[in-house]
Amino acid sequence: AQSVTQLGSHVSVSEGALVLLRCNYSSSVPPYLFWYVQYPNQGLQLLLKYTSAATLVKGINGFEAEFKKSETSFHLTKPSAHMSDAAEYFCAVSEGARGNEKLTFGTGTRLTIIP
Amino acid sequence: EAQVTQNPRYLITVTGKKLTVTCSQNMNHEYMSWYRQDPGLGLRQIYYSMNVEVTDKGDVPEGYKVSRKEKRNFPLILESPSPNQTSLYFCASSSYTDTQYFGPGTRLTVL
Repeated sequence: AQSVTQLGSHVSVSEGALVLLRCNYSSSVPPYLFWYVQYPNQGLQLLLKYTSAATLVKGINGFEAEFKKSETSFHLTKPSAHMSDAAEYFCAVSEGARGNEKLTFGTGTRLTIIP
Repeated sequence: EAQVTQNPRYLITVTGKKLTVTCSQNMNHEYMSWYRQDPGLGLRQIYYSMNVEVTDKGDVPEGYKVSRKEKRNFPLILESPSPNQTSLYFCASSSYTDTQYFGPGTRLTVL
C-alpha cells in the first residue's frame, strides 16, 4: 500500500527566504510523485511531477523537487518565497503505470509568507 | 478552455435528503474520480471510473454512489446524507497518459 507523510502542517517563512516543504512516501513499486497547490477557495493545481525520468523536477512558479530513493523523500523547494506562494501544498503518490490513476495524498502543509 | 466543472459549488442540506453533485469535463478524459477533503486528513478518494460504465470504490466509499453513463459526466450521489459527510468535495479527470485535473470543489454542509 502506498502512503505519504508531510512533515509540518504549517510552515512560515519570510518573503525572500528559502521555502522547504517536506514529503516522505511509502510505495511497494517505483512511485510516481506529485506536488499540488491549493489557493484559498480554489481547486488543486499541479505544481510538478516525478515520473522516473530526472530526479530533480522543475515545476511552475519557480518550485522544484528532488526525488531521493534512498531517503524515500520528495521535498519541495523554492529559493525565494513570494507573497503569492501563500497556499496549501499537497504531496501525492501514485502507483499507476502512467501516474494518473489512484492518488494517495498527504495531509497537506499550509505555507504562510511573512512580509 | 479545458476544464472540470462541478455543481453546485456550495450546498447546505438536511440529514436524509437525497442530493447529487454533478461533475463534467470537456477534455474527453477516460478517467474520473471523486475526492473529499477534510481538515488534517488531506484528500481521500471516494470512487473512481476508468471509463464509461466502469466504476470502482476508493478509500472512503460508504454512503456514496456514482454512475458513469457518459464519458464527460460523473455525478456523485448521496442517497441519505449524514452530518459526517459535511466536507469539501473535488472531482478530477485525466487521460491515460496525463495527470489529473481538478474541479473547483463543492462545499457540502449536512445539518
